[in-house]
Amino acid sequence: EADIYQTPRYLVIGTGKKITLECSQTMGHDKMYWYQQDPGMELHLIHYSYGVNSTEKGDLSSESTVSRIRTEHFPLTLESARPSHTSQYLCASSELGDQPQHFGDGTRLSIL
Amino acid sequence: QQPVQSPQAVILREGEDAVINCSSSKALYSVHWYRQKHGEAPVFLMILLKGGEQKGHDKISASFNEKKQQSSLYLTASQLSYSGTYFCGTPKANQFYFGTGTSLTVIP
Repeated sequence: EADIYQTPRYLVIGTGKKITLECSQTMGHDKMYWYQQDPGMELHLIHYSYGVNSTEKGDLSSESTVSRIRTEHFPLTLESARPSHTSQYLCASSELGDQPQHFGDGTRLSIL
Repeated sequence: QQPVQSPQAVILREGEDAVINCSSSKALYSVHWYRQKHGEAPVFLMILLKGGEQKGHDKISASFNEKKQQSSLYLTASQLSYSGTYFCGTPKANQFYFGTGTSLTVIP
């Protein structure tokens, strides 16, 4: 069973607030990902990392930022939340190379 | 860049078979398959790394036709637990692209 954790599971918050979504994994995986998924829709890569101090943007434009200071931790931050940021955010990790991804349970974010 | 899946949705009775297709307009270097149940995280099913490769476990198997740039997922003798949305996915240029998804519902 994969050990990757996301908090909070649900977040309802007002416009303009700063938000940090947490993601941690205990598998020692070097590669980590953030995906955005609207209800019933496909997953879109917004950020990924190959390891500590490595972060890259995905093809889907996002106003969020990420950091990777420790191997196990890959938080996502929105400096000023807007209603357009309402979505589900899924974190995943994998070993380097073309390897299976293990997903956290996701954070359902709703911006009022 | 995003693979296209067909059908978009399918409803089966228990015991029936289904095929889900995943096609790309660009070259596919490998194909991953995931299943996501409603309200849950996607779960890895299998990965096909080489053209011509076929894999399977239990009654779910997949094939990969590199030349045709497509992969197919086969579900035989479907069970209620197979219900969910199936996504194919492929890596390209350091990114990862999930397919458009196929919603599969198995009814008694």
